[in-house]
Amino acid sequence: DARVTQTPRHKVTEMGQEVTMRCQPILGHNTVFWYRQTMMQGLELLAYFRNRAPLDDSGMPKDRFSAEMPDATLATLKIQPSEPRDSAVYFCASAIVRQPNTGELFFGEGSRLTVL
Amino acid sequence: GENVEQHPSTLSVQEGDSAVIKCTYSDSASNYFPWYKQELGKRPQLIIDIRSNVGEKKDQRIAVTLNKTAKHFSLHITETQPEDSAVYFCAASMNYGGATNKLIFGTGTLLAVQP
Repeated sequence: DARVTQTPRHKVTEMGQEVTMRCQPILGHNTVFWYRQTMMQGLELLAYFRNRAPLDDSGMPKDRFSAEMPDATLATLKIQPSEPRDSAVYFCASAIVRQPNTGELFFGEGSRLTVL
Repeated sequence: GENVEQHPSTLSVQEGDSAVIKCTYSDSASNYFPWYKQELGKRPQLIIDIRSNVGEKKDQRIAVTLNKTAKHFSLHITETQPEDSAVYFCAASMNYGGATNKLIFGTGTLLAVQP
């Protein structure tokens, strides 16, 4: 049963510290998304990649957030420096480009971040 | 860019009743409208979707309807059961040529089915 894997599952850190979240997409999936979930904003798209190239990162605060795909099996989301308002659950999701396309996003279990 | 609005934010029904969640979208170029279910502490999972070339789709107790002219779509759950309790998200996307592009989600509806 192929799944998207995210680490860490939980992270508690202090304001000002660097946080890195990692995601392993499903093997063969070439589109990767990062979403942030908060009670107030629901699921916000931060960035997404196709074939490791960023397609859209307009939802991401550029001054402190960065997203990369060093290779096809790893996507990273980094926050530096972290702030209390970054506390949220961060989801990675992957999808495949093919015909016919189901359009389904497969979500990881999420990384719950708490910034004190 | 696309904006998706979802109502209501919370919905409480008695077991066996029907539940309806409604969404509107802003970008007429959107052509793919999925619904995701997220149980407490779990990841969102796709439960049903509809494309712009159809007006209605049904899968057992759940159905989706789409009105392209009005740019709104709805999720209908009949004969609700306690295990239907979850947060439901609608979303919209422009998917062409086999590509899965960014999904813009609504703010979610917390559905509580009372036994």
